[in-house]
Amino acid sequence: QKEVEQNSGPLSVPEGAIASLNCTYSDRGSQSFFWYRQYSGKSPELIMFIYSNGDKEDGRFTAQLNKASQYVSLLIRDSQPSDSATYLCAVNRGFGNEKLTFGTGTRLTIIP
Amino acid sequence: EAGVAQSPRYKIIEKRQSVAFWCNPISGHATLYWYQQILGQGPKLLIQFQNNGVVDDSQLPKDRFSAERLKGVDSTLKIQPAKLEDSAVYLCASSLFSYEQYFGPGTRLTVT
Repeated sequence: QKEVEQNSGPLSVPEGAIASLNCTYSDRGSQSFFWYRQYSGKSPELIMFIYSNGDKEDGRFTAQLNKASQYVSLLIRDSQPSDSATYLCAVNRGFGNEKLTFGTGTRLTIIP
Repeated sequence: EAGVAQSPRYKIIEKRQSVAFWCNPISGHATLYWYQQILGQGPKLLIQFQNNGVVDDSQLPKDRFSAERLKGVDSTLKIQPAKLEDSAVYLCASSLFSYEQYFGPGTRLTVT
């Protein structure tokens, strides 16, 4: 079982719709969870982090965490073509500068 | 604020040759990370420095990879001798106190 699992996609979503990206993790000791966006040929950039159960919203993005189910998701509302990228889920056993374990990423394509 | 700098951006070498990558983190960032990202996969941490000390190098193939961070600022990652499976993007990241890691543009290594 992989430590962090994501559906590799590609996930195609019409412009203006909600894109839903999912991630599961195996280590119950994980404390903090991150979503990174990576455009083709570019380096990852942090979109959101979450460490409490429930939802966290930032603009068009909402991260959802359920530690009991070991599940974290990212919702993108009003999807734009510029959201087309690979989205990486990462988990951390602590809250600080500890080791991040990344999933393989989900490739998202927004269709105009 | 200047970002994380890396050089070279691209490198092509033959197997069994050696190669070195350089990283200059964001000014003041005490923590520096080297990741390996193979095509289609998420970044994998190779080594983490706190100032000039190693925090985690558990996934660094020490028979061929080495890294140093003299004076707690710049860092170099070396591979000697290179294998075909070392073909990947090598990402350097840095962070201050918090969870957010800022990634550099990466070095794309091709081993032929």
